[in-house]
Amino acid sequence: SAVISQKPSRDICQRGTSLTIQCQVDSQVTMMFWYRQQPGQSLTLIATANQGSEATYESGFVIDKFPISRPNLTFSTLTVSNMSPEDSSIYLCSVGGAETQYFGPGTRLLVL
Amino acid sequence: QKEVEQNSGPLSVPEGAIASLNCTYSDRGSQSFFWYRQYSGKSPELIMFIYSNGDKEDGRFTAQLNKASQYVSLLIRDSQPSDSATYLCAVIEGQGAQKLVFGQGTRLTINP
Repeated sequence: SAVISQKPSRDICQRGTSLTIQCQVDSQVTMMFWYRQQPGQSLTLIATANQGSEATYESGFVIDKFPISRPNLTFSTLTVSNMSPEDSSIYLCSVGGAETQYFGPGTRLLVL
Repeated sequence: QKEVEQNSGPLSVPEGAIASLNCTYSDRGSQSFFWYRQYSGKSPELIMFIYSNGDKEDGRFTAQLNKASQYVSLLIRDSQPSDSATYLCAVIEGQGAQKLVFGQGTRLTINP
């Protein structure tokens, strides 16, 4: 299985600011996924990031709010922009395909 | 609207008994089905994957898939207190897709 790391592991931010979350994988992968898990809720896909192309966003998520970079096959970033308390969640990246999908440890974000 | 449904619980099972977790999905084109375990404060951990009708066993875990009934279940035999967690059912919908759609999760408690 892939080893996935995320930075930061947690952060407390002020409303109106932005936070960039990094996801690093120990092997080259075609697709990386970014999920959000709001308090007490299940996981919701934000976007799919392919290297060399624009990320594909799910309904309810827009690039201006959650810009994503995918500069190479082992790394991606997700930025949470102009944050509000409603953005307080765990943000997770994952990798895999139709038979296996593994998650990073997550980034716990609290917006005050 | 495509959905994955789980009983949110909580489900309480005595130690040593069989825990049965259920999940239904709405998209008949769904191809791959996953069970994740999530401990409080941790990211989801993949425990089972199934794509063919029938049963798939891995140690104390058995996944059961019935595509005609659009139903997938997870059985945990000889339940241990360490099995206490939230169990998430996830589905990949449609041919060629790789993004997961999650159910809301079932909270399982194993009582010593």
